[in-house]
Amino acid sequence: AQKITQTQPGMFVQEKEAVTLDCTYDTSDQSYGLFWYKQPSSGEMIFLIYQGSYDEQNATEGRYSLNFQKARKSANLVISASQLGDSAMYFCAMRVPRTGNQFYFGTGTSLTVIP
Amino acid sequence: SQTIHQWPATLVQPVGSPLSLECTVEGTSNPNLYWYRQAAGRGLQLLFYSVGIGQISSEVPQNLSASRPQDRQFILSSKKLLLSDSGFYLCAWSTLAGTLFNEQFFGPGTRLTVL
Repeated sequence: AQKITQTQPGMFVQEKEAVTLDCTYDTSDQSYGLFWYKQPSSGEMIFLIYQGSYDEQNATEGRYSLNFQKARKSANLVISASQLGDSAMYFCAMRVPRTGNQFYFGTGTSLTVIP
Repeated sequence: SQTIHQWPATLVQPVGSPLSLECTVEGTSNPNLYWYRQAAGRGLQLLFYSVGIGQISSEVPQNLSASRPQDRQFILSSKKLLLSDSGFYLCAWSTLAGTLFNEQFFGPGTRLTVL
């Protein structure tokens, strides 16, 4: 079975500091993709970053980077230089092509950036 | 460019009333389409997904149903709403399966309150 676990329901970070949001995944497949989405209070889901299971380098997109540790099955999101606008819910998700078209989402982490 | 529309944006319905939420995608063809529900402060629950016209997969047995009458149209329905149907409904699309990197693009969502 495919599963995504986010164990931090809520996190706080000081403005301009870095923060790590945890995500672990469970799959027996070798081919999979990992995604992070941001959901501000408006409700829209915004795609942030992607990591493929065969990618050897950690993905980076601006202030977002993904700390991919395949052996530990973790895909933590690192946000550097936090901004007030980063306050939102963050969801980790996984797609396993062999099992179909579903995306598996974690329960999310609420991040609050403190000025 | 691709665009995804959902309507209505908000809806307040009495228990036992019917429901119809509509989602349309522009700028792409033969997308995979998804309906998610998000209860207040919770993660995303996949309700239905579709890989083509008339092809619907249900993830959670409940009083909701989905239909895909056209390639880029996805409809979520209920004959009789329950209180537990309240939540934030998100429609999403992705490209065909087979590639690892095919992120989901989300619509703006519909906030449904059942009273």
